[in-house]
Amino acid sequence: DAGVTQSPTHLIKTRGQQVTLRCSPKSGHDTVSWYQQALGQGPQFIFQYYEEEERQRGNFPDRFSGHQFPNYSSELNVNALLLGDSALYLCASSLAQGRTEAFFGQGTRLTVV
Amino acid sequence: AQSVTQPDIHITVSEGASLELRCNYSYGATPYLFWYVQSPGQGLQLLLKYFSGDTLVQGIKGFEAEFKRSQSSFNLRKPSVHWSDAAEYFCAVGIGPSGGGADGLTFGKGTHLIIQP
Repeated sequence: DAGVTQSPTHLIKTRGQQVTLRCSPKSGHDTVSWYQQALGQGPQFIFQYYEEEERQRGNFPDRFSGHQFPNYSSELNVNALLLGDSALYLCASSLAQGRTEAFFGQGTRLTVV
Repeated sequence: AQSVTQPDIHITVSEGASLELRCNYSYGATPYLFWYVQSPGQGLQLLLKYFSGDTLVQGIKGFEAEFKRSQSSFNLRKPSVHWSDAAEYFCAVGIGPSGGGADGLTFGKGTHLIIQP
């Protein structure tokens, strides 16, 4: 079992550009959540996808959007990048039914210059 | 909205000594509680979780945590730390009906654990 995999591991973008991050959930999981972790801070919940729809959203602007595919994998898109978007982006997968914990990937380190 | 407070930003412990990391939460009902550990540049690994039942929960790597409803706390403990325990520790709360994992988690700001030889 490969667990949760994220790509790429590192990314450097210029302010104003757009970026797409990818996540493959743990085998058997149907729910994907995305978190932003700024340096020295705890992760902050961006949004969650289940059945290809955004089910819950944290306090992030519309520049942050996502998608979930029929195979449960997911993408996080960020438009009009700001310097403050530089962070570690973590993907977590889980099961919608039952009491299960979230499993996290290794993250994508995004640097906006 | 729920919140999590980890009052200790840094904690230094000698190898072999006992450890307690504090976590307080704010939520109107019984939450689902988690402790995660993060090594530098890595993702989060679940140490233990509390959903219901016995308030003392055992986790991996010899860690345990106790849920105290009256104090809104979920402190993490280990009787004897090893140098490999040096990492960032995060307490998190979930409120989702499916058990917390399948809904957004609220994290504390973390406690950086330093192990002295």
